[in-house]
Amino acid sequence: GAVVSQHPSRVICKSGTSVKIECRSLDFQATTMFWYRQFPKKSLMLMATSNEGSKATYEQGVEKDKFLINHASLTLSTLTVTSAHPEDSSFYICSASTHRSGYTFGSGTRLTVV
Amino acid sequence: GQQLNQSPQSMFIQEGEDVSMNCTSSSIFNTWLWYKQDPGEGPVLLIALYKAGELTSNGRLTAQFGITRKDSFLNISASIPSDVGIYFCAGQKTGANNLFFGTGTRLTVIP
Repeated sequence: GAVVSQHPSRVICKSGTSVKIECRSLDFQATTMFWYRQFPKKSLMLMATSNEGSKATYEQGVEKDKFLINHASLTLSTLTVTSAHPEDSSFYICSASTHRSGYTFGSGTRLTVV
Repeated sequence: GQQLNQSPQSMFIQEGEDVSMNCTSSSIFNTWLWYKQDPGEGPVLLIALYKAGELTSNGRLTAQFGITRKDSFLNISASIPSDVGIYFCAGQKTGANNLFFGTGTRLTVIP
């Protein structure tokens, strides 16, 4: 079946630094990738939708300059949290979709900003 | 955004018992999906429903797409300890690319 690899699984960074999270579709080409954020004991909140070769579409309230999304190829999307602050600490999950495979989720990245 | 409400919020059941959880929305969806999330992991698809009234099984799991297209339920029969986790419903609207997630049901199975 479709596999989405997300890396890193955990990252701790200092306030003010930037962190890049990668999301790869391993055995299929993903026309669209999604980035979610999940707070403890809460549901997944869609942050942005990215299509290969075009700018990401951000959900209301999500700062596009803070959460930079790049979808350079049909198998790779990256989320960069710029100038991270403690309130950015969260669980970030990517998802890739194709018409054939539906939605497949990565295993998530636990970001802790200290 | 869209709100999908799941009930119950959490459940504590004895191993071997059956489980039922619901997902309701004020909006119509053309696809309903049920996911399970283990701690520190991404959601894993359990069942996908594409037609109103559809009843689909996957092993001990059974899910139905409500006739009104505004609700869905998931049943788990003869629960086992590895059923522990958070169950999310998700809906997709016609013509939309993204999913809207429910509030989640946290299941604890007591051996």
